[in-house]
Amino acid sequence: NAGVTQTPKFQVLKTGQSMTLQCAQDMNHEYMSWYRQDPGMGLRLIHYSVGAGITDQGEVPNGYNVSRSTTEDFPLRLLSAAPSQTSVYFCASSRQGANQETQYFGPGTRLLVL
Amino acid sequence: GEDVEQSLFLSVREGDSSVINCTYTDSSSTYLYWYKQEPGAGLQLLTYIFSNMDMKQDQRLTVLLNKKDKHLSLRIADTQTGDSAIYFCAEIPSGGYNKLIFGAGTRLAVHP
Repeated sequence: NAGVTQTPKFQVLKTGQSMTLQCAQDMNHEYMSWYRQDPGMGLRLIHYSVGAGITDQGEVPNGYNVSRSTTEDFPLRLLSAAPSQTSVYFCASSRQGANQETQYFGPGTRLLVL
Repeated sequence: GEDVEQSLFLSVREGDSSVINCTYTDSSSTYLYWYKQEPGAGLQLLTYIFSNMDMKQDQRLTVLLNKKDKHLSLRIADTQTGDSAIYFCAEIPSGGYNKLIFGAGTRLAVHP
């Protein structure tokens, strides 16, 4: 199994550009989530999904959209990038919800918005 | 509100024990976790403890939970250079199914 994969590894955007961060898992996990990691702040939950067709907001959802058309994929879209979205983004998945199962994290995407 | 706090930095000598501390605010948290992040990598679950336990041991790792003080600690025995990483404490708050709240992370530096 490849586990949780994320692409791209690095990305530079200009303010106002849009892009999609890709996340895929091959473990048939129902639960997937996106976090952002900022210096001195730990990880904060952006959006999560408990299964195909179901998504919900986390702690910091503004400026981000998600969809879950398949069990395997959970892309994160930035509609109009802002410098405040410069961060490292992690995707995670687990068999069930976070409180009972190990969450597996991807290697992260480093995003710089100029 | 929900908050998890950790000291930001810890330096230890190789072979000594490391103790990383964490405080949390939600006394109804059901699960508390320790994650490890190596440079340039994602987070790896090290261990977790259920709220009805006060101690859990797993090889070199010992987790202590003081529910009264809402204090969690991770002890690493015989610390090695490979243990150098950032360690995150996280909780699932009450009613927060699917939602992990992370501390800012403690950077552990192991020197000879």
